[in-house]
Amino acid sequence: AQSVTQPDIHITVSEGASLELRCNYSYGATPYLFWYVQSPGQGLQLLLKYFSGDTLVQGIKGFEAEFKRSQSSFNLRKPSVHWSDAAEYFCAVGYDKVIFGPGTSLSVIP
Amino acid sequence: GAVVSQHPSRVICKSGTSVKIECRSLDFQATTMFWYRQFPKKSLMLMATSNEGSKATYEQGVEKDKFLINHASLTLSTLTVTSAHPEDSSFYICSARKGPSYNEQFFGPGTRLTVL
Repeated sequence: AQSVTQPDIHITVSEGASLELRCNYSYGATPYLFWYVQSPGQGLQLLLKYFSGDTLVQGIKGFEAEFKRSQSSFNLRKPSVHWSDAAEYFCAVGYDKVIFGPGTSLSVIP
Repeated sequence: GAVVSQHPSRVICKSGTSVKIECRSLDFQATTMFWYRQFPKKSLMLMATSNEGSKATYEQGVEKDKFLINHASLTLSTLTVTSAHPEDSSFYICSARKGPSYNEQFFGPGTRLTVL
């Protein structure tokens, strides 16, 4: 069965600290991989995506993600978190249809 | 950029009435639109996929007679919740994509439906 897991329901980090959000998936083949961010009252915004090629993907707002085929993972990272990064983060996978993970809520301590 | 709007942003209705939610791609033509449902503090659940001029494809467990989807043009899709009940209260989000499946989906801001 196709599924996406995000093991961390909620993460709290201090402003300026590094961040890693985990994502693992189960799929028949390597799907397209996405990370979205949802802020209160805002629509989902695409941070980055992986289709093929270089397994380290750069996105907007200083985020990057690394695809590891052997681990079926696509973890999101940011070297220095800003208070404005507090939001809900969703990992998503698929082709025509995209399956979303349960989300990780990020809080940032000033 | 690509902008997707939804109308209304919030709606409150009485049990048994029908509610229509519009999803528009404002600056691009969307070959495919998607409807999602999001429960509080939960992820997005895909309800259906619609292609312009075709019948929507519903996900397993989604009642097609309760959630009517129409994709009449390349810029407009509507979701009608028929005979709404309190358990239909939720946050409904649409997204639109232009072209092939590797293209990005652009999401609307969502519609909060409350059924009394």
